[in-house]
Amino acid sequence: DTAVSQTPKYLVTQMGNDKSIKCEQNLGHDTMYWYKQDSKKFLKIMFSYNNKELIINETVPNRFSPKSPDKAHLNLHINSLELGDSAVYFCASSPPSSGTKGGTDTQYFGPGTRLTVL
Amino acid sequence: KNQVEQSPQSLIILEGKNCTLQCNYTVSPFSNLRWYKQDTGRGPVSLTIMTFSENTKSNGRYTATLDADTKQSSLHITASQLSDSASYICVVYSNYQLIWGAGTKLIIKP
Repeated sequence: DTAVSQTPKYLVTQMGNDKSIKCEQNLGHDTMYWYKQDSKKFLKIMFSYNNKELIINETVPNRFSPKSPDKAHLNLHINSLELGDSAVYFCASSPPSSGTKGGTDTQYFGPGTRLTVL
Repeated sequence: KNQVEQSPQSLIILEGKNCTLQCNYTVSPFSNLRWYKQDTGRGPVSLTIMTFSENTKSNGRYTATLDADTKQSSLHITASQLSDSASYICVVYSNYQLIWGAGTKLIIKP
């Protein structure tokens, strides 16, 4: 009965590689997000999708490309990985009544994907 | 600059004791303030959401307070349990953005 799931949980890769992280939610939510949590523990929003449409795209290198095949999935593809991309990436979703940047409703987070770039 | 600052950075208390975590924010305009609990290796889980007009809100042994005039919030944990060990993150919603604090790492010792 997992609400928001991410795969993989851990990802170790070499600089320059391309990798993807998958996210799925079974809550029926319309809005999904990707966050990056760095070593200082701040969570920074990267992208937000509402009903498969991009509504937030913060200052993120264009090596990061989100893809939403349907409203239950929001995958994150990263090209040409760099050392500074090492972090924990969290996917989240929120109920249909939000749909604005950040949302006023509670966000439900996945377990995170720890990405280590060597 | 919109900021959310939390104190202390870390806190160790004995099981059964109470504790209070602080959050100061310099965010404008203000829409609401949230407290999240983040267990190690897990995603954050919402504890409370407080709007401008709410001064106190409880969720079990967790009680959050908000003073919108001084831009301060606190999270009080009563009769702590080992499972309360986690990071507690204060988040302010403003202008369609969530501004996250760095969190307070709380360790409960038996």
